[in-house]
Amino acid sequence: NAGVTQTPKFRILKIGQSMTLQCTQDMNHNYMYWYRQDPGMGLKLIYYSVGAGITDKGEVPNGYNVSRSTTEDFPLRLELAAPSQTSVYFCASSLGDEQFFGPGTRLTVL
Amino acid sequence: AQSVSQHNHHVILSEAASLELGCNYSYGGTVNLFWYVQYPGQHLQLLLKYFSGDPLVKGIKGFEAEFIKSKFSFNLRKPSVQWSDTAEYFCAVNVNTGFQKLVFGTGTRLLVSP
Repeated sequence: NAGVTQTPKFRILKIGQSMTLQCTQDMNHNYMYWYRQDPGMGLKLIYYSVGAGITDKGEVPNGYNVSRSTTEDFPLRLELAAPSQTSVYFCASSLGDEQFFGPGTRLTVL
Repeated sequence: AQSVSQHNHHVILSEAASLELGCNYSYGGTVNLFWYVQYPGQHLQLLLKYFSGDPLVKGIKGFEAEFIKSKFSFNLRKPSVQWSDTAEYFCAVNVNTGFQKLVFGTGTRLLVSP
């Protein structure tokens, strides 16, 4: 199993551009999550999903959108990138009591 | 809302020194507790977890943590650290609602000098 994979690894965006961060898991997990990690701030939950077709907001959802059309994929969309969205983004999935994390996407918005 | 506090932001130790990282949470009900580790350039990995039973839990790589309910604490310990333990350590809490929605602490960056 590849586990949780994320693409791209790095990206630089200009203010106002849009992009989609991809996340795929091959463990048949129902639950999937998107976090952002800022220095000294820990991880903050952006959005989560309890299954295909069901998503909900986390702690910091503003400026982001998600969809979950399949069990495997949980893309995160930034519509109008802002410097405040410069961060490292982690996707995770879980079936029960342990979350498995992807390698992260480092995004810089200039 | 639940919150998690990690009071040590940066810790520097020499190899073979003992380690204790503090973690306190604010929630009065049943909680599930976790410690995750993030080695340089890598993603988060589960170090250990507590759900119920023996409050002293053992994890990978010689780490252990003790749940003290009266102090709302879940401190991480290791008797003798190695250079390879250099990493960032995150405490996390899940309120037992049947769905795992973790609240993370701000992390402790550990540097072990050889």
